[in-house]
Amino acid sequence: ETGVTQTPRHLVMGMTNKKSLKCEQHLGHNAMYWYKQSAKKPLELMFVYNFKEQTENNSVPSRFSPECPNSSHLFLHLHTLQPEDSALYLCASSQAPVAGGGDTQYFGPGTRLTVL
Amino acid sequence: ILNVEQSPQSLHVQEGDSTNFTCSFPSSNFYALHWYRWETAKSPEALFVMTLNGDEKKKGRISATLNTKEGYSYLYIKGSQPEDSATYLCAFGQNFVFGPGTRLSVLP
Repeated sequence: ETGVTQTPRHLVMGMTNKKSLKCEQHLGHNAMYWYKQSAKKPLELMFVYNFKEQTENNSVPSRFSPECPNSSHLFLHLHTLQPEDSALYLCASSQAPVAGGGDTQYFGPGTRLTVL
Repeated sequence: ILNVEQSPQSLHVQEGDSTNFTCSFPSSNFYALHWYRWETAKSPEALFVMTLNGDEKKKGRISATLNTKEGYSYLYIKGSQPEDSATYLCAFGQNFVFGPGTRLSVLP
């Protein structure tokens, strides 16, 4: 257990559906992250939140909409996704913002998303 | 675009063998290099954070070295056990650019 939980663990959705992924960290960290891992590709950073403020958006399409209501919770709202968005979505948290670089990120187990 | 490479892509060793793999990264503007261990269906687990050239860190049978001038880090596993089977990832820099990983299988 890393102290970072994600729900659901598996999600199947149609291209017209709207769904949300949830992440919660119990570590008292100040920064939270969304990553995507597509088949046979490295983990890709999608969004970074520091103290609830979004500080990084790696050219992610607007059909992915993050929300960070407080330092412990992070959501990824999904709408009108494409089949190529099927991937493993990982959440992580760290004590310092990513500009700290040397700070370890603690990962959740991920949500396996399939878009039909 | 930062390019972080790992080799080999996959590795099969016998129980008891020692093994090592490589993470290569740009040698300019180094900040930090992270190693993670990722077992299937689990969360990636942090192993080491390396920040100084010449750093050498150890955790049980696993150790890592860092050469920032030439842009590489080695991860060593001594006396591999089946429970070491996992994908080993490195992540470079302030924005955590991940390599593709090395998948290790330790056969009993």
